Amino acid sequence: DAGVTQSPTHLIKTRGQHVTLRCSPISGHKSVSWYQQVLGQGPQFIFQYYEKEERGRGNFPDRFSARQFPNYSSELNVNALLLGDSALYLCASSLTIQSGNTIYFGEGSWLTVV
Amino acid sequence: AQTVTQSQPEMSVQEAETVTLSCTYDTSESNYYLFWYKQPPSRQMILVIRQEAYKQQNATENRFSVNFQKAAKSFSLKISDSQLGDTAMYFCAFMGPYGGSQGNLIFGKGTKLSVKP
Repeated sequence: DAGVTQSPTHLIKTRGQHVTLRCSPISGHKSVSWYQQVLGQGPQFIFQYYEKEERGRGNFPDRFSARQFPNYSSELNVNALLLGDSALYLCASSLTIQSGNTIYFGEGSWLTVV
Repeated sequence: AQTVTQSQPEMSVQEAETVTLSCTYDTSESNYYLFWYKQPPSRQMILVIRQEAYKQQNATENRFSVNFQKAAKSFSLKISDSQLGDTAMYFCAFMGPYGGSQGNLIFGKGTKLSVKP
């Protein structure tokens, strides 16, 4: 069975541009979360979606947005990119949003902002 | 707010030996979940072991085991018979008792483990 898949794996953007990152959860998983991992740090929670609705949001500016589609895949959008947005963006999926659910991660999308 | 602290930025161990990675956390909740994730150079976060706070028995998964001390809010990971493939960043993570918006993981800063031949 396929795991969590993310695209693109690497991308370079210029300050001020917009980026869209995509994620497909494990088959049967209805919850998708996004995390930002800056070099040398642990991942930080950005968003959680379940059944196409936003169920949680971390401490990130409004430049960050996301959505979940009927097939449970998800997009993370970041507007007006800053140098500090350079990071590994991890998508994760779980069966439900029930606490204790095991969360499975994709390989991430490396974003470099120049 | 919950916090997770990993006080060892880097550790090394000889192949076949045992190593323990430390993690402490802060929470006012009585029920929660704790995890250890491994992140090799490929960058994919892989679940190593999971502990439910209401279970007193320490979790084990093959060569990996934890020492969960609830009163001390400590959750250490022991790796026995270390292998070269264990070389990775190890992250301790906390999840609160409620689903929904509280169902996300809070990570520590990680410990870089190097297994030497």
